[in-house]
Amino acid sequence: GNSVTQMEGPVTLSEEAFLTINCTYTATGYPSLFWYVQYPGEGLQLLLKATKADDKGSNKGFEATYRKETTSFHLEKGSVQVSDSAVYFCALTTGTSGSARQLTFGSGTQLTVLP
Amino acid sequence: DTGVSQDPRHKITKRGQNVTFRCDPISEHNRLYWYRQTLGQGPEFLTYFQNEAQLEKSRLLSDRFSAERPKGSFSTLEIQRTEQGDSAMYLCASSSDFAVGELFFGEGSRLTVL
Repeated sequence: GNSVTQMEGPVTLSEEAFLTINCTYTATGYPSLFWYVQYPGEGLQLLLKATKADDKGSNKGFEATYRKETTSFHLEKGSVQVSDSAVYFCALTTGTSGSARQLTFGSGTQLTVLP
Repeated sequence: DTGVSQDPRHKITKRGQNVTFRCDPISEHNRLYWYRQTLGQGPEFLTYFQNEAQLEKSRLLSDRFSAERPKGSFSTLEIQRTEQGDSAMYLCASSSDFAVGELFFGEGSRLTVL
């Protein structure tokens, strides 16, 4: 079956520090990979995605590259801000257009950025 | 607001009672999902609707759980004879057919079973 393993948190950084949150996966078939973010008091929202090997997803200064050879999709940001404090979830989906294509999530990584 | 809305946001109930949660998806989305999230964990898939048809159910969805989506619009998730282990955040999400994995989530309904 499908599974996602994320680096455990919490992660605490100072503003402008470099961020890496590790994510590895196990999947049947060829998954699409995602990072979702949950800001305090809000619902989960899509941050970025990559649908095939070597694709790079990017949004709001965050990046992640789909590495099939290492089954990884690590999230990076060069300079974090206080407003990036949130819980970050790595996720994947497999299946054809006729299937549910539900997301399988990792356990989440809490990021706190200090001013 | 045209996002996904869930009601109620919080529900406290006694063990053995029934509870029902409602989800209003984004109107043009024909896919609707229910997930459950416990503290410190990622969301876990419960069930999926394509329009009004419930097409997939997780083994997590015991026979005490039932979900409906009449007319392919809003959805309800009912839990009968609640147990303390049912305490969790219940998340609803919707998506279009075309954006694989791009789900729009509501803020969730938090259930506490005493």
